[in-house]
Amino acid sequence: DQQVKQNSPSLSVQEGRISILNCDYTNSMFDYFLWYKKYPAEGPTFLISISSIKDKNEDGRFTVFLNKSAKHLSLHIVPSQPGDSAVYFCAASVGGATNKLIFGTGTLLAVQP
Amino acid sequence: EPEVTQTPSHQVTQMGQEVILRCVPISNHLYFYWYRQILGQKVEFLVSFYNNEISEKSEIFDDQFSVERPDGSNFTLKIRSTKLEDSAMYFCASSGQGRPSYEQYFGPGTRLTVT
Repeated sequence: DQQVKQNSPSLSVQEGRISILNCDYTNSMFDYFLWYKKYPAEGPTFLISISSIKDKNEDGRFTVFLNKSAKHLSLHIVPSQPGDSAVYFCAASVGGATNKLIFGTGTLLAVQP
Repeated sequence: EPEVTQTPSHQVTQMGQEVILRCVPISNHLYFYWYRQILGQKVEFLVSFYNNEISEKSEIFDDQFSVERPDGSNFTLKIRSTKLEDSAMYFCASSGQGRPSYEQYFGPGTRLTVT
């Protein structure tokens, strides 16, 4: 089941620079997308989301962009901080009665001081 | 800030034994979920629960698994006869205040080790 893919297993950026994490999906029925951040030995923490009817959502340092025609979304973090170092998961939902989330495999972000 | 809690944080059990993983969802949420993550793999949906019944379950959630909301605050996942391949992190999540909300809030997880 590869409906949600994160092709970069890891990313390293310098503190203060922009981090761009990418996610691709195959199911055109997805209508909501979310990004979660996960530290080791903790549960995923909700970061930001976007509805399929929008192409951008911004919350502080975090912006998510959605390109429906390319079935691609990205998370931009600017400026990146060392505390942002974690695994970032992209997730998608087809909605309906349960809103189950389909997760990508995650990208490990390392922000170097 | 309200949060989802899970107990225990780590459970070690022998193959064939029953385990119960416990969760306390956020108090005004109505939709509850279990997910699991096998080491090195992605987070996978197991089951969703609403209005005291299962609303959806995955292929993983076979007859060995069951969920229950025994009272107004707890949500449990029972594995009747554990297998080695059940070893994983199990995450409880909750969402919604009257209708499904896409934003699910996760607990810290229970690490289940089956020996």
